[in-house]
This record gives sequence, C-alpha cells and structure tokens, in this order.
Amino acid sequence: VLTQSPGTLSLSPGDRATVSCRASQRVDSAYLAWLQQKAGQAPRLLMYATSYRATGTPDRFSGSLSGADFTLTITRLAPEDSATYFCQQYGNFPPTFGQGTKLEIK
Amino acid sequence: EVQLVQSGAEVKKPGESLKISCKGSGYGFSDYWIAWIRQVPGKGLEYMGSIHPRDFDTRYNPSFQGQVTFSVDRSIDTAYLQWVSLKTSDTAIYYCARSATVTTQLTFWGQGTSVNVSS
Repeated sequence: VLTQSPGTLSLSPGDRATVSCRASQRVDSAYLAWLQQKAGQAPRLLMYATSYRATGTPDRFSGSLSGADFTLTITRLAPEDSATYFCQQYGNFPPTFGQGTKLEIK
Repeated sequence: EVQLVQSGAEVKKPGESLKISCKGSGYGFSDYWIAWIRQVPGKGLEYMGSIHPRDFDTRYNPSFQGQVTFSVDRSIDTAYLQWVSLKTSDTAIYYCARSATVTTQLTFWGQGTSVNVSS
C-alpha cells in the first residue's frame, strides 16, 4: 500500500510543494514513479526510478527517497502545476498507486 | 510521435457485453506491453493487468482476474479490454498505457475511455 500525504495542498505561484509517498512494504528506488493528472485529462508520467524526469518534465520537479518515504518536490510553482499527483510502485506485482495528492495553485 | 488512441465513450446496461480498444502508433506495437488501468470517477488509479502483443503473454491483477479479458490484434496494432457481463460497479474511465516490461514505468498513456453502466 502506498500512502500519500497531504491529501490536498493549496499554495501560491512561486511557492515550493512537497508531496510524500510512504510504502507499507519495501519499494526499491528503481521502481517508484510519479504521475501528474490534470483535470479531465489522462495521467502523465512525470518521474520514474524515484528521481529521473520523464521526457518533457521541467527541472522544477525532483524526486527523492529518505528511508521509506519517497518525496516529489516542485519548486517555483506555476499555475499549470495545478493537478493531482500520484505515486506508483511497479517493482512488486501488481503495480499499485497512491491515493493521490491534489495540488491547488491559489 | 508515440500515441495510444482509445475508443469513444460507452453507455451500457448491466449484463451487456463490451469491448473497448487502444490503438498504438509511432512505435513498434509488438515491442511493448500494454497495460489497462481503471479510474472510478473522483477516485484513484487501479492497475488491471497487462498484455504483450508479440506473444500474447497476459498478466492479470488478481483483483480483476476472471472479470475482464485482454486481447490484441497485431494486424491493426490494437489492444482490447473486454467484459462479458457488465456491472454498475464497472462504471469508470479506463486507460491503456505502454511499458517496456511489466515491472517498468507506464511511459505513455491513452486518453481514456469512459464506460457508464446504468439501468
């Protein structure tokens, strides 16, 4: 089970966002992704293998692991970052997703 | 450009059958797994399983085993997700996505197919 926190984040443009994802069982850093889903759209791969940016992901996005906690950090928030962010582990079958964190840009 | 284009929205009654599609283009269709993911409106994402077009190797999430069937038509680079008898609880958006293996990231996603099952 992947548990994300917080459930909702409301920040202003230029702020820094931090989203956490904790796994109930060990997830190798090579098998953790972050997805971005904007309203009414399909999810899009943002990060993979914890800290690697997918094609087209701005360098304002970064991923890290500390202990059992994976973190997605978004610096210099922009209005277009408003979305729901999901973590996903794909090392253990079946792949599973976190419940999502909704980021609102005020 | 890699694209996964899914079939259009469906409105069905409980007990009816349904087959939705996902057509790949811009890459070697038989070289990558196609995964199916369910999203109940307002809820999270659930991995249903994957199929490999080259040898039809299929992996079902145990939660969906026996409830749905995956298939592929390599001649038209299209994957399918099929139900024999829909339930109201099947109401969701269904996405297909591409991955290199079953245990790699879902790199490209289709636009989703909305399935509404209601009496």
